[in-house]
Amino acid sequence: AQSVTQLGSHVSVSEGALVLLRCNYSSSVPPYLFWYVQYPNQGLQLLLKYTSAATLVKGINGFEAEFKKSETSFHLTKPSAHMSDAAEYFCAVSPSTGGFKTIFGAGTRLFVKA
Amino acid sequence: GAGVSQSPRYKVAKRGQDVALRCDPISGHVSLFWYQQALGQGPEFLTYFQNEAQLDKSGLPSDRFFAERPEGSVSTLKIQRTQKEDSAVYLCASSPAGGPVNEQFFGPGTRLTVL
Repeated sequence: AQSVTQLGSHVSVSEGALVLLRCNYSSSVPPYLFWYVQYPNQGLQLLLKYTSAATLVKGINGFEAEFKKSETSFHLTKPSAHMSDAAEYFCAVSPSTGGFKTIFGAGTRLFVKA
Repeated sequence: GAGVSQSPRYKVAKRGQDVALRCDPISGHVSLFWYQQALGQGPEFLTYFQNEAQLDKSGLPSDRFFAERPEGSVSTLKIQRTQKEDSAVYLCASSPAGGPVNEQFFGPGTRLTVL
């Protein structure tokens, strides 16, 4: 069975600092991996996804993530945080070989300090 | 263009009542997902439709939960004899193609409160 763990329910960074949100997955075969963001009072929207092409994936708003099979990780980074990045971020995993069930992590709330 | 819409946005039910939650996906989208999101948690998969076929209902928590998509577009999630533990936000998402590899477009959710 697949699972996903997000380390840290809350992360606080200063504006301009590096953003690092951690995600580890468990799967018998490399799955599809996603990062979604939820801004206050809005629905979830896709930031980026990994589907077995390049291991370094670039997304919207300057975010990127690297798939590391040896570490079963898919951490999300952004070199310089903006106030507008404050939101809830969810890592998700979907099966790459049969099945339709997308599993979401518990989420990490990002706070950006001025 | 219109995104995924859900109605009602808020629903308060007395324990034991039946409720029906509606999802209007983006026109032409093949895939439709339902999720349950408890407070402070990530979305939890309930069920998946590809067109009108319900291909995965493994996440439905009990036989009180039932979902349908009879014409391959609008979907309804029905909860019978609601219980307090059913209180959550119910999210609907659609995707243009079949399978779980594609981006899912989420609706705003229906917040269900069971008293």
